[in-house]
Amino acid sequence: QSALTQPPSASGSPGQSVTISCTGTSNDVGGYGYNYVSWYQQHPGKVPKLMIYEVSKRPSGVPDRFSGSKSGNTASLTVSGLQAEDEADYYCSSYADSDKLIFGGGTKLTVL
Amino acid sequence: EVHLVETGGGLIQPGGSLRLSCAVSGFTVSSNYMSWVRQAPGKGLEWVSIIYSGGGTFYADSVKGRFTISRDDSKNTLYLQMNSLRVEDTAVYYCAKRNSANWHHDYWGQGTLVSVSS
Repeated sequence: QSALTQPPSASGSPGQSVTISCTGTSNDVGGYGYNYVSWYQQHPGKVPKLMIYEVSKRPSGVPDRFSGSKSGNTASLTVSGLQAEDEADYYCSSYADSDKLIFGGGTKLTVL
Repeated sequence: EVHLVETGGGLIQPGGSLRLSCAVSGFTVSSNYMSWVRQAPGKGLEWVSIIYSGGGTFYADSVKGRFTISRDDSKNTLYLQMNSLRVEDTAVYYCAKRNSANWHHDYWGQGTLVSVSS
């Protein structure tokens, strides 16, 4: 099972919006009835933190500046009103067939 | 409050074995779905294995046949037995609680580093 495809890097200035894509296949991200895409934020040396689950839901405590969506085999994470503390690595994940989970390669978000 | 604490990492030669532990407080391991996820130095996240509350287990192709996930209900602890270790198994290993209705992981441990090198 290959990793989901994410751009290695993304950037934006404070206050701007940035969108990170996550492309898979019909066996994972685009699977029929699958809403199993999640997004994690990881600061250097820190533990991954859940930011989005079930494509577009936010856990308690995650700012509403973070939003998720999906179209076909591609999921997206949008960060609006960029803040300095949003600078981190972001990983998408999706259920894949046969009780397996796959992650994207990660995107390093830089706040300019 | 939920806490997951991994131990057992260290330096091991290729072909060797190691057992990782994940001591959990704040919820019952046997009633939940628990995963191991690893991250090679400077690399991305890779899901390794899962154990369901019913005891079923699944593995990534990269570790199938070499790693075994298990739990001790009396100790509320999750384990990962790693055999026939390879240089490419070098990573920080995290234990994480998976949401039972979905495939997101809402609680993570701090990780333990496994280094496989001669």
